[in-house]
Amino acid sequence: SQTIHQWPATLVQPVGSPLSLECTVEGTSNPNLYWYRQAAGRGLQLLFYSVGIGQISSEVPQNLSASRPQDRQFILSSKKLLLSDSGFYLCAWRTGSNQPQHFGDGTRLSIL
Amino acid sequence: AQSVTQPDIHITVSEGASLELRCNYSYGATPYLFWYVQSPGQGLQLLLKYFSGDTLVQGIKGFEAEFKRSQSSFNLRKPSVHWSDAAEYFCAVALPYNNNDMRFGAGTRLTVKP
Repeated sequence: SQTIHQWPATLVQPVGSPLSLECTVEGTSNPNLYWYRQAAGRGLQLLFYSVGIGQISSEVPQNLSASRPQDRQFILSSKKLLLSDSGFYLCAWRTGSNQPQHFGDGTRLSIL
Repeated sequence: AQSVTQPDIHITVSEGASLELRCNYSYGATPYLFWYVQSPGQGLQLLLKYFSGDTLVQGIKGFEAEFKRSQSSFNLRKPSVHWSDAAEYFCAVALPYNNNDMRFGAGTRLTVKP
Protein backbone atom coordinates (compact mmCIF):
# COMPACT_ATOMS: atom_id res chain seq x y z
CA SER A 1 0.00 0.00 0.00
CA GLN A 2 1.03 3.59 -0.48
CA THR A 3 2.36 5.69 2.37
CA ILE A 4 3.60 9.23 2.71
CA HIS A 5 6.15 10.44 5.22
CA GLN A 6 6.85 13.99 6.29
CA TRP A 7 9.54 15.16 8.64
CA PRO A 8 10.18 16.69 10.97
CA ALA A 9 6.81 16.78 12.71
CA THR A 10 7.67 19.95 14.59
CA LEU A 11 10.30 22.58 13.93
CA VAL A 12 11.23 25.80 15.70
CA GLN A 13 13.54 28.07 13.76
CA PRO A 14 14.87 31.61 14.21
CA VAL A 15 14.10 34.32 11.69
CA GLY A 16 16.68 34.36 8.90
CA SER A 17 17.63 30.71 9.23
CA PRO A 18 17.34 28.20 6.36
CA LEU A 19 14.63 25.57 6.05
CA SER A 20 14.38 22.12 4.60
CA LEU A 21 11.24 20.00 4.93
CA GLU A 22 11.16 16.60 3.33
CA CYS A 23 8.36 14.46 2.02
CA THR A 24 8.64 10.97 0.58
CA VAL A 25 6.04 8.66 -0.87
CA GLU A 26 6.25 4.88 -0.97
CA GLY A 27 4.31 2.31 -2.90
CA THR A 28 3.57 4.28 -6.06
CA SER A 29 5.41 5.58 -9.09
CA ASN A 30 5.40 9.00 -10.71
CA PRO A 31 2.94 10.60 -8.32
CA ASN A 32 1.87 14.21 -8.50
CA LEU A 33 3.25 15.89 -5.39
CA TYR A 34 2.00 18.96 -3.56
CA TRP A 35 3.07 21.31 -0.77
CA TYR A 36 0.39 23.21 1.13
CA ARG A 37 0.52 25.70 3.97
CA GLN A 38 -2.25 25.99 6.50
CA ALA A 39 -2.31 29.04 8.74
CA ALA A 40 -3.91 28.65 12.17
CA GLY A 41 -7.66 28.14 11.79
CA ARG A 42 -7.50 28.60 8.04
CA GLY A 43 -7.88 26.53 4.93
CA LEU A 44 -5.16 25.15 2.71
CA GLN A 45 -3.02 27.27 0.46
CA LEU A 46 -1.32 25.43 -2.39
CA LEU A 47 2.34 26.44 -2.54
CA PHE A 48 3.93 24.11 -5.10
CA TYR A 49 3.09 21.08 -7.14
CA SER A 50 5.15 18.71 -9.24
CA VAL A 51 4.16 16.25 -11.95
CA GLY A 52 7.64 14.75 -12.37
CA ILE A 53 11.31 14.85 -11.40
CA GLY A 54 12.68 18.37 -11.66
CA GLN A 55 9.27 19.80 -12.62
CA ILE A 56 8.06 22.36 -10.13
CA SER A 57 5.17 24.78 -10.45
CA SER A 58 4.74 27.61 -7.99
CA GLU A 59 1.29 28.81 -7.13
CA VAL A 60 2.18 31.90 -5.12
CA PRO A 61 5.24 34.15 -5.01
CA GLN A 62 6.97 33.77 -1.70
CA ASN A 63 10.07 33.16 0.29
CA LEU A 64 9.97 29.41 -0.31
CA SER A 65 11.12 27.05 -3.02
CA ALA A 66 10.57 23.39 -3.80
CA SER A 67 12.58 20.68 -5.45
CA ARG A 68 11.96 17.12 -6.58
CA PRO A 69 15.32 15.38 -6.87
CA GLN A 70 13.80 11.90 -7.05
CA ASP A 71 10.50 10.50 -8.24
CA ARG A 72 9.02 10.12 -4.78
CA GLN A 73 10.84 12.86 -2.90
CA PHE A 74 9.61 16.43 -2.55
CA ILE A 75 11.53 19.06 -0.59
CA LEU A 76 10.39 22.46 0.61
CA SER A 77 13.17 24.96 1.28
CA SER A 78 13.97 28.48 2.21
CA LYS A 79 17.27 30.34 2.40
CA LYS A 80 16.05 32.82 5.02
CA LEU A 81 12.88 32.28 6.99
CA LEU A 82 10.47 35.10 7.76
CA LEU A 83 8.04 35.34 10.65
CA SER A 84 5.23 35.00 8.13
CA ASP A 85 6.49 31.54 7.16
CA SER A 86 5.09 30.10 10.37
CA GLY A 87 2.34 27.59 9.85
CA PHE A 88 1.43 23.99 9.31
CA TYR A 89 2.94 22.51 6.16
CA LEU A 90 1.33 19.58 4.46
CA CYS A 91 2.66 17.37 1.71
CA ALA A 92 0.26 15.40 -0.47
CA TRP A 93 0.34 13.05 -3.43
CA ARG A 94 -2.01 11.64 -5.98
CA THR A 95 -1.64 9.43 -9.03
CA GLY A 96 -3.73 11.47 -11.43
CA SER A 97 -6.21 14.30 -11.77
CA ASN A 98 -9.09 11.87 -11.32
CA GLN A 99 -7.84 10.66 -7.95
CA PRO A 100 -8.00 12.21 -4.48
CA GLN A 101 -4.96 13.66 -2.81
CA HIS A 102 -3.47 11.81 0.14
CA PHE A 103 -1.81 13.80 2.87
CA GLY A 104 1.11 13.40 5.20
CA ASP A 105 0.86 14.19 8.89
CA GLY A 106 2.27 17.68 8.44
CA THR A 107 5.08 19.78 9.91
CA ARG A 108 4.35 22.47 12.46
CA LEU A 109 6.83 25.28 11.77
CA SER A 110 7.27 28.05 14.30
CA ILE A 111 9.50 31.02 13.58
CA LEU A 112 10.94 32.95 16.51
CA ALA B 1 -14.55 32.40 -10.92
CA GLN B 2 -14.03 28.83 -9.76
CA SER B 3 -14.61 28.44 -6.04
CA VAL B 4 -15.54 26.12 -3.22
CA THR B 5 -17.66 27.48 -0.40
CA GLN B 6 -18.30 26.03 3.01
CA PRO B 7 -20.83 28.48 4.46
CA ASP B 8 -20.48 27.34 8.07
CA ILE B 9 -17.22 28.16 9.82
CA HIS B 10 -18.20 26.42 13.05
CA ILE B 11 -20.99 24.00 13.92
CA THR B 12 -21.88 22.55 17.30
CA VAL B 13 -24.05 19.47 17.64
CA SER B 14 -24.92 17.19 20.52
CA GLU B 15 -23.58 13.67 20.58
CA GLY B 16 -26.08 11.37 18.92
CA ALA B 17 -27.66 14.13 16.87
CA SER B 18 -27.58 14.20 13.10
CA LEU B 19 -25.09 16.30 11.17
CA GLU B 20 -25.05 18.05 7.83
CA LEU B 21 -22.09 20.09 6.61
CA ARG B 22 -22.65 22.20 3.55
CA CYS B 23 -20.44 22.58 0.50
CA ASN B 24 -21.17 24.53 -2.68
CA TYR B 25 -18.98 24.86 -5.71
CA SER B 26 -18.80 27.11 -8.71
CA TYR B 27 -17.21 25.44 -11.73
CA GLY B 28 -17.99 25.41 -15.40
CA ALA B 29 -18.14 21.64 -15.53
CA THR B 30 -19.03 19.03 -12.94
CA PRO B 31 -15.85 18.52 -10.94
CA TYR B 32 -14.70 15.60 -8.88
CA LEU B 33 -15.78 16.12 -5.29
CA PHE B 34 -14.21 15.11 -2.00
CA TRP B 35 -14.63 15.47 1.74
CA TYR B 36 -11.67 15.34 4.11
CA VAL B 37 -11.42 15.40 7.89
CA GLN B 38 -8.55 16.88 9.89
CA SER B 39 -7.96 16.27 13.59
CA PRO B 40 -5.86 18.89 15.43
CA GLY B 41 -2.20 18.74 14.45
CA GLN B 42 -2.81 16.03 11.87
CA GLY B 43 -2.96 15.75 8.12
CA LEU B 44 -6.15 15.44 6.13
CA GLN B 45 -7.89 12.09 5.85
CA LEU B 46 -10.15 11.32 2.92
CA LEU B 47 -13.73 10.55 4.00
CA LEU B 48 -15.34 10.01 0.61
CA LYS B 49 -15.24 11.00 -3.04
CA TYR B 50 -17.61 11.45 -5.93
CA PHE B 51 -16.59 11.04 -9.54
CA SER B 52 -19.77 9.98 -11.32
CA GLY B 53 -22.73 7.64 -11.04
CA ASP B 54 -24.85 7.31 -7.91
CA THR B 55 -25.20 10.75 -6.38
CA LEU B 56 -25.29 9.40 -2.83
CA VAL B 57 -21.80 8.39 -1.80
CA GLN B 58 -20.89 6.35 1.25
CA GLY B 59 -17.62 6.97 3.05
CA ILE B 60 -15.69 5.89 6.07
CA LYS B 61 -16.70 6.44 9.71
CA GLY B 62 -20.41 6.35 8.83
CA PHE B 63 -20.39 9.49 6.68
CA GLU B 64 -22.23 9.98 3.43
CA ALA B 65 -22.55 12.83 0.97
CA GLU B 66 -25.04 13.68 -1.71
CA PHE B 67 -24.19 15.39 -4.97
CA LYS B 68 -26.92 17.70 -6.24
CA ARG B 69 -26.06 19.04 -9.65
CA SER B 70 -28.97 21.52 -9.73
CA GLN B 71 -27.75 23.12 -6.51
CA SER B 72 -24.00 22.72 -7.16
CA SER B 73 -23.77 21.17 -3.74
CA PHE B 74 -22.06 18.23 -2.10
CA ASN B 75 -23.24 18.15 1.50
CA LEU B 76 -21.78 15.77 4.06
CA ARG B 77 -24.10 13.96 6.46
CA LYS B 78 -23.98 11.61 9.37
CA PRO B 79 -27.11 10.31 11.11
CA SER B 80 -25.63 10.12 14.61
CA VAL B 81 -22.52 12.05 15.63
CA HIS B 82 -19.95 10.61 18.02
CA TRP B 83 -17.67 12.68 20.24
CA SER B 84 -14.71 11.43 18.19
CA ASP B 85 -16.13 13.19 15.12
CA ALA B 86 -15.07 16.57 16.51
CA ALA B 87 -12.59 17.88 13.93
CA GLU B 88 -12.21 20.21 10.97
CA TYR B 89 -13.94 19.16 7.75
CA PHE B 90 -12.87 20.26 4.30
CA CYS B 91 -14.73 20.00 1.05
CA ALA B 92 -12.56 19.84 -2.06
CA VAL B 93 -13.12 19.84 -5.79
CA ALA B 94 -10.87 18.89 -8.67
CA LEU B 95 -11.28 19.42 -12.37
CA PRO B 96 -10.83 16.39 -14.59
CA TYR B 97 -7.51 16.29 -16.44
CA ASN B 98 -6.05 19.10 -14.36
CA ASN B 99 -3.07 18.19 -12.19
CA ASN B 100 -2.99 21.24 -9.98
CA ASP B 101 -6.49 22.57 -9.78
CA MET B 102 -7.74 20.91 -6.63
CA ARG B 103 -9.45 23.56 -4.54
CA PHE B 104 -10.31 23.29 -0.88
CA GLY B 105 -13.02 25.07 1.02
CA ALA B 106 -12.10 27.09 4.09
CA GLY B 107 -13.27 24.29 6.36
CA THR B 108 -15.99 23.77 8.96
CA ARG B 109 -15.01 23.12 12.54
CA LEU B 110 -17.27 20.63 14.25
CA THR B 111 -17.72 20.67 18.02
CA VAL B 112 -19.61 17.80 19.65
CA LYS B 113 -21.39 18.44 22.94
CA PRO B 114 -21.73 15.55 25.40
